[in-house]
Amino acid sequence: GQNIDQPTEMTATEGAIVQINCTYQTSGFNGLFWYQQHAGEAPTFLSYNVLDGLEEKGRFSSFLSRSKGYSYLLLKELQMKDSASYLCAVRSGSGGSYIPTFGRGTSLIVHP
Amino acid sequence: EPEVTQTPSHQVTQMGQEVILRCVPISNHLYFYWYRQILGQKVEFLVSFYNNEISEKSEIFDDQFSVERPDGSNFTLKIRSTKLEDSAMYFCASRDLAGATYEQYFGPGTRLTVT
Repeated sequence: GQNIDQPTEMTATEGAIVQINCTYQTSGFNGLFWYQQHAGEAPTFLSYNVLDGLEEKGRFSSFLSRSKGYSYLLLKELQMKDSASYLCAVRSGSGGSYIPTFGRGTSLIVHP
Repeated sequence: EPEVTQTPSHQVTQMGQEVILRCVPISNHLYFYWYRQILGQKVEFLVSFYNNEISEKSEIFDDQFSVERPDGSNFTLKIRSTKLEDSAMYFCASRDLAGATYEQYFGPGTRLTVT
């Protein structure tokens, strides 16, 4: 089976940097997603990592280490609107299976 | 900017009734998905659909569920005999064929309440 762990909640200050970690145990790893979900809304795609390393996209970056079963999402220059839940999801299975397994999400609270 | 739409936004039904949740994916997208999220819990994959057939489904997607693309724009999820535990937010998503990012666009969701 799959197991995905993320911290339940984090707080940070506006303008700061925050790193949200995700660890996973899975077989047949095919890729890792990060999504942002504001309360009562749908998830929005942030990133997808297949290979090891850091991928940067504006204020958000995502890192993957397949050997360690570890990823993080880095948010820079935090804004109040970044207060949301951040979901880590791992795509796994044989034959290029798509099926993603989601973590419980990390609720990020940004305060002034 | 194109977006995925879903109707209705909220559906209330009695246990044992059939419901159909509707989605209009982004027009040039070819992959379609349904997810659900029980209140306060994880997002769960239900099914993916490509080329007019199911490509993958999860253990949740049992015989009471079915999907259909009845025309060139709609994508539906049918739950034949609803149970209390089917109460959840149901999200439709779509993505296009190009690129390796697997970026999906989610609709706003349908909140299903089974009483």
